[in-house]
Amino acid sequence: DVKVTQSSRYLVKRTGEKVFLECVQDMDHENMFWYRQDPGLGLRLIYFSYDVKMKEKGDIPEGYSVSREKKERFSLILESASTNQTSMYLCASSTTRTGFHFGNGTRLTVT
Amino acid sequence: RKEVEQDPGPFNVPEGATVAFNCTYSNSASQSFFWYRQDCRKEPKLLMSVYSSGNEDGRFTAQLNRASQYISLLIRDSKLSDSATYLCVVNYSGTYKYIFGTGTRLKVLA
Repeated sequence: DVKVTQSSRYLVKRTGEKVFLECVQDMDHENMFWYRQDPGLGLRLIYFSYDVKMKEKGDIPEGYSVSREKKERFSLILESASTNQTSMYLCASSTTRTGFHFGNGTRLTVT
Repeated sequence: RKEVEQDPGPFNVPEGATVAFNCTYSNSASQSFFWYRQDCRKEPKLLMSVYSSGNEDGRFTAQLNRASQYISLLIRDSKLSDSATYLCVVNYSGTYKYIFGTGTRLKVLA
């Protein structure tokens, strides 16, 4: 069974802090994704990666960066957290022909 | 127009009822289709893929209508535990881009 693990379930950070969200998958999937989910807006893609050291911007990359140094790990970085980045963050992995497998999410609050 | 559209609901149905949701997509290049289930404050979980010929898994049936560009999910004999939000997901051919609908909320009532 695929397992996607996000390092934190809940985080509270202050405006201006640098925030790291970590995600690890154990199924050797090529593709990894970071989404945020907000009420009424659904899931929106921030960044994705289809290989080690490869990254592509999604629909809402502003204010975020990512790192994929190893195949199993995909990190989301908020360079300077702002209150409008308060959200549920979901990491996912997939192969090119399967659906997504999500981590259990990180609920981030920026105060 | 949104790329993937779903009726947000909620659909309130009694236990044992049959309920169906549709999801329309705008890009005819869409190739892969999925239904996900999301419980409150939890991550989405894959319910089933949607194949061109349609597919069934127990009480759940998924169908694809390429001509009209929609997919459907039918739930028979609804259980209280089916209460959740159901998300449809569309993947464009040859891309890594997956588009999520905003979900349809189902409440099964005792």
